[in-house]
Amino acid sequence: DAGVTQSPTHLIKTRGQQVTLRCSPKSGHDTVSWYQQALGQGPQFIFQYYEEEERQRGNFPDRFSGHQFPNYSSELNVNALLLGDSALYLCASSLAEAEYEQYFGPGTRLTVT
Amino acid sequence: KQEVTQIPAALSVPEGENLVLNCSFTDSAIYNLQWFRQDPGKGLTSLLLIQSSQREQTSGRLNASLDKSSGRSTLYIAASQPGDSATYLCAVGSDRGSTLGRLYFGRGTQLTVWP
Repeated sequence: DAGVTQSPTHLIKTRGQQVTLRCSPKSGHDTVSWYQQALGQGPQFIFQYYEEEERQRGNFPDRFSGHQFPNYSSELNVNALLLGDSALYLCASSLAEAEYEQYFGPGTRLTVT
Repeated sequence: KQEVTQIPAALSVPEGENLVLNCSFTDSAIYNLQWFRQDPGKGLTSLLLIQSSQREQTSGRLNASLDKSSGRSTLYIAASQPGDSATYLCAVGSDRGSTLGRLYFGRGTQLTVWP
């Protein structure tokens, strides 16, 4: 049973560019949440997708957007990258009726130069 | 807004010691509390999940307790080993309507166990 997968593993971008990160949920899961973890900090909630719609959003600017596909996979898009966007981006999946049991992927390390 | 605090921020101990990591949270409207392990540069591995109606959970050498009314949880690690070296994160799942199911994390305790 495949767990949560994320791609790419690492990414280096220049300030002002745009980036897309991808997540495939654990088999059978229908809800995907994204978290940002800056160095030395705990993960911070970005948003959550269910049934292809954003169900909740944390305190992040509109430069952060997402999408969920019919197969439940998800993308996180960040526009106009800032140096402060450098972080580990974690994807977590869960079942809508058991949304509190979240399973995390290995993360994508984004470096903005 | 839920605030999660972990003490200590870092801990360095010799192999074999029993350890206690502390976590506190400000809003008692939680659905559950989860302890995670994170190795450097890696994702999160769930260690223990305690539902809000439970008092503790055990897995091997790990025991986690929850006192929801006082907003506290402890993770007890028995007979520590060098392989336990990692950052331990505490996360609470919100039970409030607008943030239902969202996880709030502490900054973690960085544990080093030396031989």
